[in-house]
Amino acid sequence: DAGITQSPRHKVTETGTPVTLRCHQTENHRYMYWYRQDPGHGLRLIHYSYGVKDTDKGEVSDGYSVSRSKTEDFLLTLESATSSQTSVYFCAISSPRDTFQETQYFGPGTRLLVL
Amino acid sequence: TQLLEQSPQFLSIQEGENLTVYCNSSSVFSSLQWYRQEPGEGPVLLVTVVTGGEVKKLKRLTFQFGDARKDSSLHITAAQPGDTGLYLCAGSPNPNAGGTSYGKLTFGQGTILTVHP
Repeated sequence: DAGITQSPRHKVTETGTPVTLRCHQTENHRYMYWYRQDPGHGLRLIHYSYGVKDTDKGEVSDGYSVSRSKTEDFLLTLESATSSQTSVYFCAISSPRDTFQETQYFGPGTRLLVL
Repeated sequence: TQLLEQSPQFLSIQEGENLTVYCNSSSVFSSLQWYRQEPGEGPVLLVTVVTGGEVKKLKRLTFQFGDARKDSSLHITAAQPGDTGLYLCAGSPNPNAGGTSYGKLTFGQGTILTVHP
């Protein structure tokens, strides 16, 4: 299994509070991704990173920001959490050195509830 | 934006039955992947198909990539309760569309499969 951890695994917070989710990898993979998973929507890309300090928006980036100061860590921040951001958040990694660079390895997920 | 339509969304069958899950798009993909996800865990890759018309088999699972690389199917023969889970298809953008994909994927909505003993 790819070495990907996410923290926290579960979080309950209140509307309007900031929340930061952490993804940590030990694989030295260049690409990292944050997704949210909601019933009926599969996985939707929030933000992704293609290198240290290189990030870009995905299809559902509003209300989220990211940072990547080290290869191994990718942080997702909800500046002011809203109930619509209640979801399960997954981090994934991939490497352009792989035969199929689009093969993604997923973390265990963070379940976030915004009250 | 490339979209993947996955069907059916839910599938409930008895052990021993066969089933097929479909993944369709109007866009061409350079490759297509199938993932399986169990409750409380992240998706895990089952297979990647890259050539139009390609068929890959993984024990009782058969994966096919359409000739035009716009669609794919997953067929399970003699389903078992251990096959229960969420199945997701995901497509990698066509490189002829320009730019660098950075490994990004477009996911279908998923198919929740329940196999009853």
